[in-house]
Order: sequence, then structure tokens, then C-alpha cells
Amino acid sequence: GQQLNQSPQSMFIQEGEDVSMNCTSSSIFNTWLWYKQDPGEGPVLLIALYKAGELTSNGRLTAQFGITRKDSFLNISASIPSDVGIYFCAGLGSGNTGKLIFGQGTTLQVKP
Amino acid sequence: NAGVTQTPKFQVLKTGQSMTLQCAQDMNHEYMSWYRQDPGMGLRLIHYSVGAGITDQGEVPNGYNVSRSTTEDFPLRLLSAAPSQTSVYFCASRGSGGQGGYNEQFFGPGTRLTVL
Repeated sequence: GQQLNQSPQSMFIQEGEDVSMNCTSSSIFNTWLWYKQDPGEGPVLLIALYKAGELTSNGRLTAQFGITRKDSFLNISASIPSDVGIYFCAGLGSGNTGKLIFGQGTTLQVKP
Repeated sequence: NAGVTQTPKFQVLKTGQSMTLQCAQDMNHEYMSWYRQDPGMGLRLIHYSVGAGITDQGEVPNGYNVSRSTTEDFPLRLLSAAPSQTSVYFCASRGSGGQGGYNEQFFGPGTRLTVL
């Protein structure tokens, strides 16, 4: 079945640093979604990508839909303590079957 | 819009008990899903539905039943609770791509279930 490989699994960075994480797949996706989950909460949608090569920003967050349609990355610039959480990528393949495929998550810790 | 709502927020069961986790959405979304989240395991799909009256299994369906009698509601039933079902359960919904929201999926706040 379709799988997503998300890396890194965890990051521990200093406040103010930039962060980059990515997801890769052996299958083509038509949609890439990036989520953030705070402790004790449900995942919250950060950015949605719908076209190969698309680059979309949301404040200090920037995500790109890879040109091969098999990968996506998320960058966070000038990290702050409230960026702490788990970041998930998710992909939707062709056919719109209803099943989003999720990566395993990247746990981000920011040291003030 | 309330978005995706889940009840209860917390639940403790004894082994063998049954219960239903409730999920509702007010966005007229066609697709609804149930996930469980365990430490270090990410989000695992239990069951999903592509519309009222249509459900299908995800990757970890055993021990759970679902039904979708209306567009708004997608309850998850635990038939005979086991300690292995201790987890955090998330319901999610998304449109079909033709409703202006493309394929954006939204999650509920979760139900934290402990089975003793």
C-alpha cells in the first residue's frame, strides 16, 4: 500500500533557528497537507498544496509540493517556543478514495 | 460552524464493556474517518466513510464497528473493550474537492480512552 516516509523523526533546536522537514513517497499524490498537533489536542491544518511545484506560505511556515509529486517539505523560519509540537504530513492519491496517507510525524522541541 | 465535534472527551472502561464514541460535523463533508493515536505510532486509520450509507475498513479495524446513517454523524463502536484499545481517538472529515475547500481534512479534539 501507499506509505509516506517523514523525516526527521524528532528535532531539538534553539529558538530563532530555521527548521526543515520533509515527506517522501513511492506513489504520486495529488494533494499534500501539513498539520501541527499540540499536546492533548487534535491535529490542526497548517498548509494545503494542490499543484506540483506549488510553494505556499502561512506566516513563518512555507511548504512546497515536489515537482515529481512524490514529496513535500515544510520549513519553519525563526522558530519560537510555541512551535513545539508534532508535525504531520499527509497525502491524497488519485481516485479520491477518501483515505489520506499520513507520515509518522516529526516531533519538534525548541529551546528558549 | 462548530467543525468536527467528539464526545466524550475522556472515558474509562473495564475490559469487555462496550461503548460508542460520537462524532459529528456541520460542514456537509462527504468523507469522515476515525483514527487512533498511540505513542510513537502516528495516526492509524480505523474506519472511514465516503458518504452516508458507505463505510470501509482502514488499517486497524478489528474490534471496532462504524455506521454512517447521516452525512453529519459517524459513530465508532467498541464491541468488547480490551486494554489494547487504550488510545486517543480522533474523528476527521473533509469535503470531496468540489466544495471550495478542496481536500482539506479537519480533525476533532479527540477522545482519550482507557480500558482497564
